[in-house]
Amino acid sequence: SQTIHQWPATLVQPVGSPLSLECTVEGTSNPNLYWYRQAAGRGLQLLFYSVGIGQISSEVPQNLSASRPQDRQFILSSKKLLLSDSGFYLCAWSVQLNYGYTFGSGTRLTVV
Amino acid sequence: AQSVSQHNHHVILSEAASLELGCNYSYGGTVNLFWYVQYPGQHLQLLLKYFSGDPLVKGIKGFEAEFIKSKFSFNLRKPSVQWSDTAEYFCAVNAGRRALTFGSGTRLQVQP
Repeated sequence: SQTIHQWPATLVQPVGSPLSLECTVEGTSNPNLYWYRQAAGRGLQLLFYSVGIGQISSEVPQNLSASRPQDRQFILSSKKLLLSDSGFYLCAWSVQLNYGYTFGSGTRLTVV
Repeated sequence: AQSVSQHNHHVILSEAASLELGCNYSYGGTVNLFWYVQYPGQHLQLLLKYFSGDPLVKGIKGFEAEFIKSKFSFNLRKPSVQWSDTAEYFCAVNAGRRALTFGSGTRLQVQP
């Protein structure tokens, strides 16, 4: 069966520090991968998605970037965190863009 | 661009009351529609989905949703809620080759 792993679960980082959140999927090949940010009262905001290695689509211009170095690995990064980057980050995967998504357990990021 | 509106941000019900959560989307073409649920401290889970066919879809735990194309709506219903239904509920839509767009969520609190 397919599983999705996301780490770390919580992270406290100072303003201006770099960020790297990792997400991996097991049990499937060539998944579509997604990064969402969940903010209270604002639902889930799509940040990036990828339909294949090296293929990244950015939905919102911001201080973050994403990379997909391997088929089942999706990384969310920042060179210098801002206070506004605080939030709950969710990774997800799907077989197709218009199919149901399976979400990871999320990372709670607090920028101080 | 596709968008989703959830009208109720916070709903409080007593056990055994009936539930209806509103969801409206904006997109003129063919859409796939979803309801996700996030129980306290747990992952986002798929509750039900609509791709085509019977506009009344049934999901897990006694939930159902009705797709009304003329109203661009996909409301979630349950005849009799339980305390264990306390959670946050998200409506989502995608169309064409776009990733899922989520609504802002509805927090449901069921009082015993």
